[in-house]
Formats: sequence, structure tokens, C-alpha cells
Amino acid sequence: EVQLVESGGGLVQPGGSLRLSCAASGFTFSDYYMDWVRQTPGKGLEWVARVRNKGNGYTTAYAASVKGRFTISRDDPKNSLYLQMSSLKTEDTAVYFCARDGGSYRHDYWGQGTLVTVSS
Amino acid sequence: DIQLTQSPSFLSASIGDRVTITCRASQGINSYLAWYQQKPGKAPKVLIYTASTLQSGVPSRFSGSGSGTEFTLTITSLQPEDFATYYCQQLNSVPITFGQGTRLEIK
Repeated sequence: EVQLVESGGGLVQPGGSLRLSCAASGFTFSDYYMDWVRQTPGKGLEWVARVRNKGNGYTTAYAASVKGRFTISRDDPKNSLYLQMSSLKTEDTAVYFCARDGGSYRHDYWGQGTLVTVSS
Repeated sequence: DIQLTQSPSFLSASIGDRVTITCRASQGINSYLAWYQQKPGKAPKVLIYTASTLQSGVPSRFSGSGSGTEFTLTITSLQPEDFATYYCQQLNSVPITFGQGTRLEIK
């Protein structure tokens, strides 16, 4: 059974840093592109970042709103995805989901989400 | 960036109704559009991908169509469990973008 489990969310002050993790199981993690998607309370979904697989050079892409502040990475032997967030702003407050790009242009599995609150 | 505009933003319907949600892209995205259902406190669930392919395990009352810039999600014979928020998503290019959502409520 495919599972994605996020952790690392919490309360952080503006300007602070936080590292989110996503533990993957039930599939060959190294084969897939992985993404972070966030959802602000009561609002819609916003794609945050992507890391491609080894075959595609582990290249990354970011939303303009987080570029230069967030870093996505992966550790294939540990079946883990990460999001290092720095210079956090109040508008980064959201539930952060990790999601698998299952091929055929879709996110076919999602984690349960982890809440990040940026507030003083 | 490719903008996705969903309509309507809110829809009120009854059990057994047929409903259609539209998603328009600001530029052509081939057929690289997916539809998701989200219930409160849960992660989104993919229903349709590549515009018209039904995700495994999703009931056949859900269907999608379209290509280029205009897409539709149709739900025939609404069931109680279908009342949720629906999002379209384009994966033609990064940044990946979502529509603003359509909230489907029971009339």
C-alpha cells in the first residue's frame, strides 16, 4: 500500500526556518517525481516545489512565491522527501502536502498534510 | 504561468442531479489536466487525469472531457458522498497550477 506521511510542521516566527519531511512507503520511491503542495486555511491549493527522479538529474522547480527561500530535496535510500523552508512569512501559513506524480500527469497519492503556522 | 479559471465557484444541487464544472486555461495545455475532489480536513483525491481518463477505483458517474483550453468535469446522478470541493490542475508545465475550486453543496 502506498503511503506518504509528512512531519515537521509547527509554529514558527516570521523570518524563521522549518524543515518538513515526507516518508514514503509501498512503492519504488526513486522512480517518481515528487512535489510539495500547500493549502492556506480555507483557501485553494498551491503547488510549491518539485524534485524529479535520478533519471532526470534530480532537477528541481519552484513556485515564484517560494523561490530562493525554500529548498526541496530527496534521499532515495531513505525513501524520504524534504522541504527546507527559510525566511518564512506569515503568508506561508498553510497545510503542506507531499504528493507523488504518478506519471500520466496526475498526483495519484498524497500525504495527510502537516500544518505550518508562521506567526509572532 | 498558466492560469486556470473554474466555473462556477459554488454549486448547489440535489441528490440524483447531473452537474458540470468547467475549467478554462489561459493557454493551451494539450490534455494534461486532472480533476480532484477534496473533503474537509482531507487531502485531494484524483478523479480524472489527462482530461478524460478515470482514475482506478473512481465511480463511473464521474467523467471528464476537453482539450486545449477548455475542460469539463461531469458528475451524473449525484450521490451524498459527492458533496465536496473540486479542483482542476494543469501539469502541462511548471509551475503546476490549480483552479480556484468549485464547492458543491446539497440543495
